[in-house]
Amino acid sequence: EVQLLESGGGLVQPGGSLKLSCVGSGFTFNRYAMSWVRLAPGKGLEWVSTINDNARGTYYADSVKGRFTISRDNSRNTVWLQVSSLTIEDTALYSCVKSGTPGALYYFDYWGQGALVTVSS
Amino acid sequence: DIQMTQSPSTLSASVGDRVTITCRASQSIGNSLAWYQRKPGKVPKLLMFKASTLESGVPSRFSGGGSGTEFTLTISSLQPDDFATYYCQQYSASWTFGQGTRVEIK
Repeated sequence: EVQLLESGGGLVQPGGSLKLSCVGSGFTFNRYAMSWVRLAPGKGLEWVSTINDNARGTYYADSVKGRFTISRDNSRNTVWLQVSSLTIEDTALYSCVKSGTPGALYYFDYWGQGALVTVSS
Repeated sequence: DIQMTQSPSTLSASVGDRVTITCRASQSIGNSLAWYQRKPGKVPKLLMFKASTLESGVPSRFSGGGSGTEFTLTISSLQPDDFATYYCQQYSASWTFGQGTRVEIK
């Protein structure tokens, strides 16, 4: 059974930083791209960032480019999202998401429960 | 950037109704489109990919169509479990979600 378990969320002041973690199990982690998607209160799903299977390719939404950094360690089945220079608009549930096709950057097939990031003074 | 626009934003329907949600891309995405279902408090569920390929385990009352810039998700006979919010997503160039369509009980 595929499982994605996020951690690292919390309350942070504007301008602050956090590092979100996601541990994957139940699949061959090093064969799949991994992504982060967020859901802000009262809003829809927003793709945030993706890293390919071998960590050589990283991709970011314009809204987070230069502020967020995605990384992974396949030996630990873990993907991270370093979020910095946070604004109130970054308040959201951040979910770790698995790519649906090995070795490809396509749709997403499994989602974690998410880590809540609240930006407030 | 490719923008995705869903219509309607909200759809009121009854059990047994046939419902169709439309998703339009701001430029051609071929068939690089997925559909997801999200219920409050639950993780999104993949319904369809490659515009019309049903994900394993998804009921056959769900169907998808279209290519290029216009796509549809159809539920042939709405069931109580189907009241949820549905999102389209393009993965042709980066990734973009539509704003969502909430299917509510009429």
